[in-house]
Amino acid sequence: TAGITQAPTSQILAAGRSMTLRCTQDMRHNAMYWYRQDLGLGLRLIHYSNTAGTTGKGEVPDGYSVSRANTDDFPLTLASAVPSQTSVYFCASSDWVGGFGTGELFFGEGSRLTVL
Amino acid sequence: GQNIDQPTEMTATEGAIVQINCTYQTSGFNGLFWYQQHAGEAPTFLSYNVLDGLEEKGRFSSFLSRSKGYSYLLLKELQMKDSASYLCAGVDSNYQLIWGAGTKLIIKP
Repeated sequence: TAGITQAPTSQILAAGRSMTLRCTQDMRHNAMYWYRQDLGLGLRLIHYSNTAGTTGKGEVPDGYSVSRANTDDFPLTLASAVPSQTSVYFCASSDWVGGFGTGELFFGEGSRLTVL
Repeated sequence: GQNIDQPTEMTATEGAIVQINCTYQTSGFNGLFWYQQHAGEAPTFLSYNVLDGLEEKGRFSSFLSRSKGYSYLLLKELQMKDSASYLCAGVDSNYQLIWGAGTKLIIKP
C-alpha cells in the first residue's frame, strides 16, 4: 500500500526559482495538508484542503500556493523561492473533517528543500 | 494564543520507564495527539485522547487531564528502537492541530 507519495525527496533550488512539490494519496481521504518542519519548531501548517475543490490557509501560507483539483493530488508551489523556505516539507492526509473520522494523520516521507 | 509545551530532550535507560509531559493551551479543545518521529522519517500516529484518563496500547500509554491542560506519554520497557522524537499536538475548536516542537528521547544501554 503506497499511502502518501511525495516527490521529490530532496531538491536544491536557486533563490527566485519556482518549484512544485507533488503529493499523491491513494486512501481516498478527504482532508490533505502541507506542513513544514524546522529544527526546534513544531510542524507548522502551510495550507490545507478539507475536500477536493477547496483549500485554506494555515499558519504560514505566505510564499506558497496549493490546488486540489481531485481527491488524490495536492501539489504545493513556491512561486519564487527564498532561503527562509529551506525546510523539510511533509504532506499528510486524514479522513477527519470537522471531527468526523478516526483523526489519524498519515504523512508522506517528506521533501527536503534547500534554497540557496 | 495557542501553545503546546513539551521538554526539548530526555534521556532514559533501556528497559526503564519514561514519561513525556505536554501542556497545552488551545482555543477550544477537541483532543490531543501523540506522534512518534524517528530521525529523517515521517511522523507516525501513536494515540489520540479526547476524554480524561489513561489509554494503554501495549508498552505505550497516554494520559489526558482536560481541567489541567495536561497530557503525558508513558513508555514502558524501553527499547533502543524507541529513540525518536515524540510530538504532542492539541486540536483546537476548528479541528486544526497545534503542534509542539517535539521531545527528543535518547535511550542509553
